Amino acid sequence: GQQVMQIPQYQHVQEGEDFTTYCNSSTTLSNIQWYKQRPGGHPVFLIQLVKSGEVKKQKRLTFQFGEAKKNSSLHITATQTTDVGTYFCAPQGGSEKLVFGKGTKLTVNP
Amino acid sequence: EAQVTQNPRYLITVTGKKLTVTCSQNMNHEYMSWYRQDPGLGLRQIYYSMNVEVTDKGDVPEGYKVSRKEKRNFPLILESPSPNQTSLYFCASSLSADSNQPQHFGDGTRLSIL
Repeated sequence: GQQVMQIPQYQHVQEGEDFTTYCNSSTTLSNIQWYKQRPGGHPVFLIQLVKSGEVKKQKRLTFQFGEAKKNSSLHITATQTTDVGTYFCAPQGGSEKLVFGKGTKLTVNP
Repeated sequence: EAQVTQNPRYLITVTGKKLTVTCSQNMNHEYMSWYRQDPGLGLRQIYYSMNVEVTDKGDVPEGYKVSRKEKRNFPLILESPSPNQTSLYFCASSLSADSNQPQHFGDGTRLSIL
């Protein structure tokens, strides 16, 4: 089945620092989704990337899809305490089964 | 309001006592699935359903059953719960099995099996 590695598992930053999480797949993907889960909450859909080399921005968040459609990244510029949570990638390989990365837990020191 | 509703939110029970976690969505979504979330393991899919009367195993189906008799409901059944099923469970739905559809998650059910 679909294999995905998400790194790092944990990241602690000072408020104002940047943050990046990476998602790497063993196979070529049809698309990739990103989700955020706040502490005590449920995963919430952030964005979907479909095209090779695609870059999308949501305010301070920048999402990239690799040229080979095997990896993706989420970059947060100048983190804020509201960014705290766990970020999951969900690579889609065309199967009905859905696989999520193990997530990157972000903590922000004010 | 569009939502996925799970019940109960919390449950503490004992080994072997059958339990059901209900999941209902009001968005007329075709695709529904169950996940468990454990520290360090992320979200793992237990079962999914592409439509009424169509269910299939995810990555960790052992010890669980599901049914999809109506489009809106997708209950998760633990016939004989064991302590290793202590976890946080999420139900999710999406418009279709098309991989371009985002998942909408319920608020979660925290199960403790003693």
